[in-house]
Order: sequence, then structure tokens, then C-alpha cells
Amino acid sequence: LAKTTQPISMDSYEGQEVNITCSHNNIATNDYITWYQQFPSQGPRFIIQGYKTKVTNEVASLFIPADRKSSTLSLPRVSLSDTAVYYCLGDGSNRLAFGKGNQVVVIP
Amino acid sequence: NAGVTQTPKFQVLKTGQSMTLQCAQDMNHEYMSWYRQDPGMGLRLIHYSVGAGITDQGEVPNGYNVSRSTTEDFPLRLLSAAPSQTSVYFCATQRDREDSPLHFGNGTRLTVT
Repeated sequence: LAKTTQPISMDSYEGQEVNITCSHNNIATNDYITWYQQFPSQGPRFIIQGYKTKVTNEVASLFIPADRKSSTLSLPRVSLSDTAVYYCLGDGSNRLAFGKGNQVVVIP
Repeated sequence: NAGVTQTPKFQVLKTGQSMTLQCAQDMNHEYMSWYRQDPGMGLRLIHYSVGAGITDQGEVPNGYNVSRSTTEDFPLRLLSAAPSQTSVYFCATQRDREDSPLHFGNGTRLTVT
């Protein structure tokens, strides 16, 4: 099973851009890369999904290099409400690839 | 639309008791899954279903049963609760492909004493 790896925690100041990188060392040819956000006492929420190069939506950007062995989620100008745990998934079955996530704490 | 609804929100059980965690969805999604989340462990898959009448085991299935008689409902049963099953349980749905985004409920917090 493809397994993603992420760092555990990071702090950032309000208004800064936050970049979170994930490794997808065993990603398969037809796997998509998907990112989720989870607030305390809530279920994870879909943020963005991509296959290669760059994807952007109203919430974030996702950068995927040509070899697809990693991905970077970019949150522009974070606010306090962006404090959450962020998960990357890069496995064809999605459901089996949740890691421990990356805790982002936004500081005033 | 309510999306994914989990009930109850909180539950306390004694060791050996049984109970069913309910999950209902109104999005007509084919795929449904159950996860548990423990501190520092991320989410781990318990059971999943790719459609009515079809279920399969995930990463941590022991101690849990599921059935999928309708598209809308995917209950998770604990036949004999154990303290190790103290956790937060999340139900999720996917539209119809394994790479379509997961939609999660808000969870059931279960404590087994």
C-alpha cells in the first residue's frame, strides 16, 4: 500500500504563506494526491486534489513535481481559523493512506 | 442536504456491552467507510463498502461488524465492547470512484469503561 509521510507540527504567523510537504514514495501511476483539513471535534474536510503539476482553488494550491514522489500544499495568507491538522493522501484507494497528519498552528 | 449524519455524538459503554453506531448519508454515494481516530494515530480504516450488499475489512476490523442493506445507511456494530475501543469514530462516503474525495461525518466519541 502506498503510504504517505508528513512532518508532525509547524507554527506560522497570521498573514504568512504556509507550505506543507508530503512524501509519496510508493505512489502508483494512477493515484491521485488529495489533501484534507481537520478541526478539533470535526471530521476531515476535503481541500484539494491533483494528479500532476499545479492545481489551485479558492482555498489552497497544490504543487506536484514531475516524479510525483512528493506534493506541497500551499495556504496563502493564513488566518487563525486555518489552525488545524492537514492530511495528505496519495494512494489509489485513498482510504488506507491516512498518516498522522501535520498540525499547523497559526499565531496572531 | 444533511450530508453524512452520525449518531449518537457521544456514548459511554461498560466492558462487554454491545451497541451500534449509525451512519446515514443523503448524497447517493456508493462508497462508505468507517474510521477510528485515536490520539497521535491519525485515522485508521475499520470497514468499508463499495455498494449495497458489499462490505470488506480495513486495517483494524477486529471487534467490529458492518452491513450495508441500503445505499443510505452503513451501521457499525460493537458486539462486546472493550476499553481498547475507546476512540472517536468517523463515517465517510465517496461518490463512486476510489479517488473521489471523502466526505466525513462529525464523529461519535465512544468511551468504554
